[in-house]
Amino acid sequence: EPEVTQTPSHQVTQMGQEVILRCVPISNHLYFYWYRQILGQKVEFLVSFYNNEISEKSEIFDDQFSVERPDGSNFTLKIRSTKLEDSAMYFCASSDGAVANEKLFFGSGTQLSVL
Amino acid sequence: GDSVTQMEGPVTLSEEAFLTINCTYTATGYPSLFWYVQYPGEGLQLLLKATKADDKGSNKGFEATYRKETTSFHLEKGSVQVSDSAVYFCALRDNAGNMLTFGGGTRLMVKP
Repeated sequence: EPEVTQTPSHQVTQMGQEVILRCVPISNHLYFYWYRQILGQKVEFLVSFYNNEISEKSEIFDDQFSVERPDGSNFTLKIRSTKLEDSAMYFCASSDGAVANEKLFFGSGTQLSVL
Repeated sequence: GDSVTQMEGPVTLSEEAFLTINCTYTATGYPSLFWYVQYPGEGLQLLLKATKADDKGSNKGFEATYRKETTSFHLEKGSVQVSDSAVYFCALRDNAGNMLTFGGGTRLMVKP
């Protein structure tokens, strides 16, 4: 089965530094997402992306966050100036449709640790 | 806003025991409901889904029925295996948007 690939699997950074989390969605998918899970808490929606623009975002996704699809295969999440509370597992996902019952495919996540 | 509540874990069972993981939701309208599973070191995978009231989703021996009257989508399996050890997430997706709202996850540990 096709899969979503995320790199790196672990990222350690100093507070205030910029980080870029990378994802390669499934090749024919059109909708892309970022979710995160802080240790011991729920998986939370961050942002969805379609047709080269953000289609929906949560309150978490403030000005420190940005997403980009720099080429035909990658989908990145950038955190401009990391804070301690950004430490979490970040999941990328993709789907080939936007309707409510479409299947999302998730990557295995990037564990971000901000020190 | 939408929310999903599921029982806290960990749930520890012996092999071949019956499994129930409770999930209830709050949402306007008629959301689609999902169970996702996360095996160690892997991403979330869709386990089963139901898109309307009274639908039963099933896969790999797991099943869950969309109960609108009780706003529930409890996950059940008649006989668990060690290989079912994972974290299980209940989720909903409303028809107005394309985001999933997750519960907190329930870790299942099955002992031989």
